[in-house]
Amino acid sequence: AQRVTQPEKLLSVFKGAPVELKCNYSYSGSPELFWYVQYSRQRLQLLLRHISRESIKGFTADLNKGETSFHLKKPFAQEEDSAMYYCALDAGGTSYGKLTFGQGTILTVHP
Amino acid sequence: GAGVSQSPSNKVTEKGKDVELRCDPISGHTALYWYRQRLGQGLEFLIYFQGNSAPDKSGLPSDRFSAERTGESVSTLTIQRTQQEDSAVYLCASSPPGQYEQYFGPGTRLTVT
Repeated sequence: AQRVTQPEKLLSVFKGAPVELKCNYSYSGSPELFWYVQYSRQRLQLLLRHISRESIKGFTADLNKGETSFHLKKPFAQEEDSAMYYCALDAGGTSYGKLTFGQGTILTVHP
Repeated sequence: GAGVSQSPSNKVTEKGKDVELRCDPISGHTALYWYRQRLGQGLEFLIYFQGNSAPDKSGLPSDRFSAERTGESVSTLTIQRTQQEDSAVYLCASSPPGQYEQYFGPGTRLTVT
């Protein structure tokens, strides 16, 4: 069975500092990885997907199959980045669409 | 347009009672998912509906949990004989055909006393 681990429950940085939210996964196949974000009083929403290889709101994430990681990075954090971030895995095949989520990391960006 | 809606937003019930949670997906979305989020934990998959196919119930934690969906519209999640460990936020999400992104509702917070 697949598993997603986000080792940091809380992460605090100052505005303008780089930020990295860690995500590690265990799965023997080739998964799809996602980052979802939940801002205060808003719904959970997709931030980015590894296959897209795009930068959203300055965030990027690279899938490292050797280290089974999918860390989320931003070079200069902004106060509006403060939110709960979830890493999620889709194992595909017959499990397509069934996301396995990590426990989440609360990011706080201080002014 | 309107997003995924869920009702009620909050539900307090006594242990042993049955509860029904409702989800209205975005119109045209063929896939519908239910997740559970216990306090301090990540989202846990419960059940998945895709069009007219048989639902994937592999995440339901016990036979006290069941869900139905009428065509490609409303879904209800029913929990019978609720227990205190059922207390959680229950989230519903839907996806359009052939797309990966899941659009989440606001959730229903269930408290079993």
